[in-house]
Amino acid sequence: DTAVSQTPKYLVTQMGNDKSIKCEQNLGHDTMYWYKQDSKKFLKIMFSYNNKELIINETVPNRFSPKSPDKAHLNLHINSLELGDSAVYFCASSQDGSYEQYFGPGTRLTVT
Amino acid sequence: AQSVTQLDSQVPVFEEAPVELRCNYSSSVSVYLFWYVQYPNQGLQLLLKYLSGSTLVKSINGFEAEFNKSQTSFHLRKPSVHISDTAEYFCAVSRPSNDYKLSFGAGTTVTVRA
Repeated sequence: DTAVSQTPKYLVTQMGNDKSIKCEQNLGHDTMYWYKQDSKKFLKIMFSYNNKELIINETVPNRFSPKSPDKAHLNLHINSLELGDSAVYFCASSQDGSYEQYFGPGTRLTVT
Repeated sequence: AQSVTQLDSQVPVFEEAPVELRCNYSSSVSVYLFWYVQYPNQGLQLLLKYLSGSTLVKSINGFEAEFNKSQTSFHLRKPSVHISDTAEYFCAVSRPSNDYKLSFGAGTTVTVRA
């Protein structure tokens, strides 16, 4: 069983569209994260949720809205997509009290 | 705020040769340090971590890293690499706190050739 899964794996869309990326973890972890990896492979945290509560919210445009329906899921919704949103988005999770984060396989978003 | 600098963006190396990936951090407070590995088309995996105790930490696949507080470094080494070690390696730092936030370096691409 995949520990942290993301759907879709690839997403190609046009500017101005709204899209969502889903993330699920079956590890029983309490904290989940979203990261953005740009074309130069630089990885930057976007959001973090602990037990469905937002605990990290970096400087991210408000077009990006995370949603956590339960502690096993953290979805990322993006409104009015822009060319600069093209990147690989990684979901991750960790157990309370642990710095070890488990990453999903990534979603490659291409905005044309 | 803490930050990480990985001094080498690309490191080509021959199989069975040693490799060292350099990582320096800056922080005004004590930190925790990590190395993550990203194999092609996969997510990141924790390779090893330094939280406290012995400054030399080792992974199960032959990598080791040494925390050097005076030089603010956490360099990663392996005495003999395999083709399968070809990957992107990320150094990361975290400040002991309640949010467990990781700040990553820009990554080092290791390409192992036969």
